[in-house]
Amino acid sequence: AQSVAQPEDQVNVAEGNPLTVKCTYSVSGNPYLFWYVQYPNRGLQFLLKYITGDNLVKGSYGFEAEFNKSQTSFHLKKPSALVSDSALYFCAVRGEYNFNKFYFGSGTKLNVKP
Amino acid sequence: EPEVTQTPSHQVTQMGQEVILRCVPISNHLYFYWYRQILGQKVEFLVSFYNNEISEKSEIFDDQFSVERPDGSNFTLKIRSTKLEDSAMYFCASSDIGGRSYNEQFFGPGTRLTVL
Repeated sequence: AQSVAQPEDQVNVAEGNPLTVKCTYSVSGNPYLFWYVQYPNRGLQFLLKYITGDNLVKGSYGFEAEFNKSQTSFHLKKPSALVSDSALYFCAVRGEYNFNKFYFGSGTKLNVKP
Repeated sequence: EPEVTQTPSHQVTQMGQEVILRCVPISNHLYFYWYRQILGQKVEFLVSFYNNEISEKSEIFDDQFSVERPDGSNFTLKIRSTKLEDSAMYFCASSDIGGRSYNEQFFGPGTRLTVL
C-alpha cells in the first residue's frame, strides 16, 4: 500500500533559525515525491519534487528537501526561516506504477515566530 | 501566472440536496482531478479525468458522485444527494502531462462544502 506520514502536526521555529518538516513514505516501485504549501484560503502550491538524481532537491522560496532511500524519507528544509513561511505543508508521493493520483500526508503546520 | 480557479469558495446545502462544484483548470492542461479534505484529516484523492472520461477513481467516489467537462474550460464535480459526511474542502487540480508520475499537479483554492 502507498502512504505518506508526516509525524508532526505542528513545528515551531524562530525566525532566522533552520527548519525541518518531516515526511516518510511507503510506495511500490520508485517514488516520486513532492512538497506543497497551503496558505490560508489558498490552494496547494507546488514547492519542489524529487524524481531521480541528486538526493538534495532545491525548490521555491529557498526551500530544499533531502531524499533518503534507506530511511524512506523526504524531509523539507530551509536554512533560515521567515515569518512569511508560516503555513501548512503537505508531503505527497506518487508511485512509479500509478500515474493518476497523489497520496498526501496529513499536513504539518509551520509556525515561524519573530 | 495561470491558476486553477474554483467556485464557489463556500457552499452550504441541506442533506439530500444536489450540489455542483465548479473548477476552471489551467487552459492547456489535459488531466483533471478532484481531491477532498475533511477537516483535520488528509487530502484524499477522489477521481482523475482525461479525454472526457474517468481514468481512475477511489472508493470514496461512489454512485453519488459524478464529474463532467461540459465545455472547453469547466470541470465539475456533482454530488447527487449530499450526506453530512460529505462536508469537506474539495480541491480541483490539473496537470499538462498526467501520464507521467513525476509531473506536478496544480491545485485550486478549494470549495468548502458544508452539509447541514
